[in-house]
Amino acid sequence: DTGVSQNPRHKITKRGQNVTFRCDPISEHNRLYWYRQTLGQGPEFLTYFQNEAQLEKSRLLSDRFSAERPKGSFSTLEIQRTEQGDSAMYLCASSLAQGTYGYTFGSGTRLTVV
Amino acid sequence: KQEVTQIPAALSVPEGENLVLNCSFTDSAIYNLQWFRQDPGKGLTSLLLIQSSQREQTSGRLNASLDKSSGRSTLYIAASQPGDSATYLCAVSASKIIFGSGTRLSIRP
Repeated sequence: DTGVSQNPRHKITKRGQNVTFRCDPISEHNRLYWYRQTLGQGPEFLTYFQNEAQLEKSRLLSDRFSAERPKGSFSTLEIQRTEQGDSAMYLCASSLAQGTYGYTFGSGTRLTVV
Repeated sequence: KQEVTQIPAALSVPEGENLVLNCSFTDSAIYNLQWFRQDPGKGLTSLLLIQSSQREQTSGRLNASLDKSSGRSTLYIAASQPGDSATYLCAVSASKIIFGSGTRLSIRP
C-alpha cells in the first residue's frame, strides 16, 4: 500500500464549471476525511466518512459541495458552479477507527478557479 | 468548540540552533496530538504522534511533549538544519483532527 492517493494533483477550471476530485485511502482504513487549505492557514475540516456513511459535514461545505464514498473505498469530492473563492488545496486523509493510530494525508489537489 | 493555536506564526533562526515550537488547545478531551510538516505546495507529512496517555515522543532530532491538562504541546528541534525549513502544523484528534495555523520555520545557512 503506497499511502493515500489523490487525483488530480492540479486542476485549473473556469468559474462556473464543475470539478471532481478523487481520493484513494489506505486500504485497511475505515475513516476518510476531506480538508481544505488556503494559503497561510491550517487545513479546515470539510467532512468525514466511516466506511460508506458520511458522519459529519462542516458548515464550510455549502450545497455546491458534495462528497461520496461508495462501497466504503475511494471517495470523490465534487464542487458545482465553482467560484474564485473555492481556489485552495483540497486534502484527503484516512485513519483507522477514530484516529487512534494517527492520520495519513495525501499530497492534495490544488484547485485554481479563473 | 476545539481551537488550536500555534506560536510563533513564523520563526527564522541560524543553522545549528535548538528551537521550540508551541501549540495550545482549548478542549483537553482529545485522543491524541499529531505534529506534521508541510513543504510549500505539498501535502502533510506526519512527524510525531502522541497518545493522550503519553507525555512525549521522540524521533531523531525531534521531541514532542504533551501536557493534556494544561492544553499544551511543544515540538523541540535539536541542531536545526536548512532542510528543516517548512511549515509545522499541530493537530489534535477527537472525532476528527483539528489543526492550528502552523509555524513557518526558516533555517538560515
